[in-house]
Amino acid sequence: GQQLNQSPQSMFIQEGEDVSMNCTSSSIFNTWLWYKQEPGEGPVLLIALYKAGELTSNGRLTAQFGITRKDSFLNISASIPSDVGIYFCAGENTGTASKLTFGTGTRLQVTL
Amino acid sequence: EAQVTQNPRYLITVTGKKLTVTCSQNMNHEYMSWYRQDPGLGLRQIYYSMNVEVTDKGDVPEGYKVSRKEKRNFPLILESPSPNQTSLYFCASSWRLAGDNEQFFGPGTRLTVL
Repeated sequence: GQQLNQSPQSMFIQEGEDVSMNCTSSSIFNTWLWYKQEPGEGPVLLIALYKAGELTSNGRLTAQFGITRKDSFLNISASIPSDVGIYFCAGENTGTASKLTFGTGTRLQVTL
Repeated sequence: EAQVTQNPRYLITVTGKKLTVTCSQNMNHEYMSWYRQDPGLGLRQIYYSMNVEVTDKGDVPEGYKVSRKEKRNFPLILESPSPNQTSLYFCASSWRLAGDNEQFFGPGTRLTVL
């Protein structure tokens, strides 16, 4: 099945640094979503994007829906220890077989 | 509290021994889905259900069965588990999969097949 390419695979950063990760697809999506998964838990939705070019913020998080509808990025500013986790992008195309396609994930580690 | 529950959370079994992982949601959601998570592969959809008695295959359905007899429950059945089904499994639900309907995920079931 379709898969989204997410990069980087992992990041080790210091507290206070900014983080950027992105997701690319060979096909277009109508909706881009960003999830965070903490150890031992299921993914939790962070940001949803519905229009090409859209830029949306949620606190220190900012995400953009690429103009081509084939990519998206997520930025985290001034990282803190509780940002640790795995971040997943996901794309959705509504229709008779609506479903989410997830990226491969970016594992983020924040050191003090 | 609105939630998706899965049982068991951890399971170690042997090849060929049938097992069922239960999933239940208390939000009256129409849409439910099962994913498996493997290192480097992200989450891949196994099966999904748009409503009661309506199920369809996702990207990796081989070796799995599901049923949706009631709106709140969506069990995942492995008739004859094999070691390549060792994985972390997540159930998710939402009102429907369109627009701004957030998918809520369960806490996960870690399955090991020996």
